[in-house]
Amino acid sequence: KNQVEQSPQSLIILEGKNCTLQCNYTVSPFSNLRWYKQDTGRGPVSLTIMTFSENTKSNGRYTATLDADTKQSSLHITASQLSDSASYICVVSARPSDYKLSFGAGTTVTVRA
Amino acid sequence: DAGVIQSPRHEVTEMGQEVTLRCKPISGHNSLFWYRQTMMRGLELLIYFNNNVPIDDSGMPEDRFSAKMPNASFSTLKIQPSEPRDSAVYFCASSFFPAEQYFGPGTRLTVT
Repeated sequence: KNQVEQSPQSLIILEGKNCTLQCNYTVSPFSNLRWYKQDTGRGPVSLTIMTFSENTKSNGRYTATLDADTKQSSLHITASQLSDSASYICVVSARPSDYKLSFGAGTTVTVRA
Repeated sequence: DAGVIQSPRHEVTEMGQEVTLRCKPISGHNSLFWYRQTMMRGLELLIYFNNNVPIDDSGMPEDRFSAKMPNASFSTLKIQPSEPRDSAVYFCASSFFPAEQYFGPGTRLTVT
């Protein structure tokens, strides 16, 4: 069973609307959690990174939250744009020294005009 | 900075042929990773190099896969012989470990 579960698998939203993506993890111990954006035909690019003590982090219209007690994270996209159409991948690291990351399957977001 | 460079971007080959994927990591990074991405399994780590030395190749699916890093600025992933089930997108990533991994654009491999 994957240690990082994402939901929904995919979603479609209208341009200008908001959406929230979920990530639940069972990775233990826990060092940090990243959200990556992967455009079609491109490699993943890091949007945010959060450590155990951080609850919220923003990057422009992207806001990530973390609840380390319940092992849940969310990524909120505000005022979506067509360029937000991509796959969003939740990635968890157990220890700062770990090179092996736990990847979620991703949520595919489609923004329509 | 040009970022991680991979070539070719697309490769179509027939079953049984040898395939070589290439990667140039970001200058100054000491770690290099090869990943495979499929719809079914998502991103999987194949092999990890640190300072040009293979540290963990437990993710390499079978002996048909091999990877080398002859110097700090170049790495190859070779599949010989290739099979249709090897069709996937292969990513190279680099980092100044243990900092963030930066991914290349990927090579989409199709084996017919």
